[in-house]
Amino acid sequence: EADIYQTPRYLVIGTGKKITLECSQTMGHDKMYWYQQDPGMELHLIHYSYGVNSTEKGDLSSESTVSRIRTEHFPLTLESARPSHTSQYLCASTNGGSGANVLTFGAGSRLTVL
Amino acid sequence: DAKTTQPPSMDCAEGRAANLPCNHSTISGNEYVYWYRQIHSQGPQYIIHGLKNNETNEMASLIITEDRKSSTLILPHATLRDTAVYYCIVPFSGSARQLTFGSGTQLTVLP
Repeated sequence: EADIYQTPRYLVIGTGKKITLECSQTMGHDKMYWYQQDPGMELHLIHYSYGVNSTEKGDLSSESTVSRIRTEHFPLTLESARPSHTSQYLCASTNGGSGANVLTFGAGSRLTVL
Repeated sequence: DAKTTQPPSMDCAEGRAANLPCNHSTISGNEYVYWYRQIHSQGPQYIIHGLKNNETNEMASLIITEDRKSSTLILPHATLRDTAVYYCIVPFSGSARQLTFGSGTQLTVLP
C-alpha cells in the first residue's frame, strides 16, 4: 500500500509545454527526493529537500525545478519540455531522524516529450 | 558516500537460495548498509538494512562481515517474482546527498 503518490503516471506532451509532476506523501517525512531514470539505466538524484522551503540540486544536472511549500508536497516542474526530458521520474521520501533512514518510493511518472 | 561494488548480473534457479554480494570497503563505523530492489521500471522497494549484526525479515537475510567491508543479501527461496535489479547502498549519514543508487545486480531467477 503506497503512502507516496505520484501523478500523472504517464504523460505524453509536445515540445515547449510546461509540465508539473506531482508528488505527495502522507507519512510526515521531512526528506524528499526526485530521481530520474532512463530505461535500463541507473537512478540519478536530481533534487532533494530536507524540509519546507529547503531544496537542493542533486548529482545530475536537470533543467527542472522543485518547490517545498508544504511538508507533504514536492512537485517538479519543467517550464519548457524537450525530447531530452523524456524519462521516468521517481519521487521518494524518508524520515529525518539520525541513524537508519528507509526510502519509500512512489510508482513513478513516465514522461514522453514529442 | 561510501562506494559499493556489486556484480552486474547473477542467475539463480527457482526455489534455491540467491546470494547477492556487495563490497563496501570504505564504510565507516556509523554507516548502515541498505538493500533495495527494482522490478521492471517500478519504484525501488526497500528490502532490509543493517549496521553490524546480521538481520532477517520476511523478505530476506542480510549477512555483514565482521570487518563490515562486505555484505551478502540472501533470498532463501527465490521465485520468478524475485527477478529484479538489487541495489546495495551505503549512504553517508553526514552527507547532504544521501542514498545514491549505483548500477546494482540484475538477478534473474530461472524456472
